[in-house]
Amino acid sequence: GIQVEQSPPDLILQEGANSTLRCNFSDSVNNLQWFHQNPWGQLINLFYIPSGTKQNGRLSATTVATERYSLLYISSSQTTDSGVYFCARREANSGYALNFGKGTSLLVTP
Amino acid sequence: GAGVSQTPSNKVTEKGKYVELRCDPISGHTALYWYRQSLGQGPEFLIYFQGTGAADDSGLPNDRFFAVRPEGSVSTLKIQRTERGDSAVYLCASSLRSGDLYEQYFGPGTRLTVT
Repeated sequence: GIQVEQSPPDLILQEGANSTLRCNFSDSVNNLQWFHQNPWGQLINLFYIPSGTKQNGRLSATTVATERYSLLYISSSQTTDSGVYFCARREANSGYALNFGKGTSLLVTP
Repeated sequence: GAGVSQTPSNKVTEKGKYVELRCDPISGHTALYWYRQSLGQGPEFLIYFQGTGAADDSGLPNDRFFAVRPEGSVSTLKIQRTERGDSAVYLCASSLRSGDLYEQYFGPGTRLTVT
């Protein structure tokens, strides 16, 4: 199956700092989503971004499909940004199921 | 509007017992997915429905697992003869249609513990 690799696996930031999370994938992408899993386990949709750049408040994402990676930028981080960030892309041979990376665990300290 | 809902939120059962987990998708969403998430891992696909039919069940680990969606809305994941290794969070997601253009939205999950 298609591999989805996320880096870094863990990240600790002080409140107010910026960060970049990366997602590499082993094959072409038709459907890529970024999620935030909050400390209560809820997966929250951040971006649907198979290509190009999108911004939503302090968050933005860029996918370069030809180079098989996507980046999630978090600016002016807040403690509520803590949790695990997942990227996921459609597994080509599994209908429309999403194939997830292992996530980046982010802790933002006051 | 209402998001994906799942019940129960927590389920503790003894090894060997039968359990049912319920998912109520976003109204109007025709595609429904079940995933399983173990500690420290990303969700892993189990089964996908388009309407009432299981379009892809390749992720079900063995024949103890079964899922239905009889009226094309609510789905039930059924696990027979539970084992301790079945302990995980079971997540349900739905999308308006199946296809690359449609985002999947996840429910809060059911945490299953098999003792």
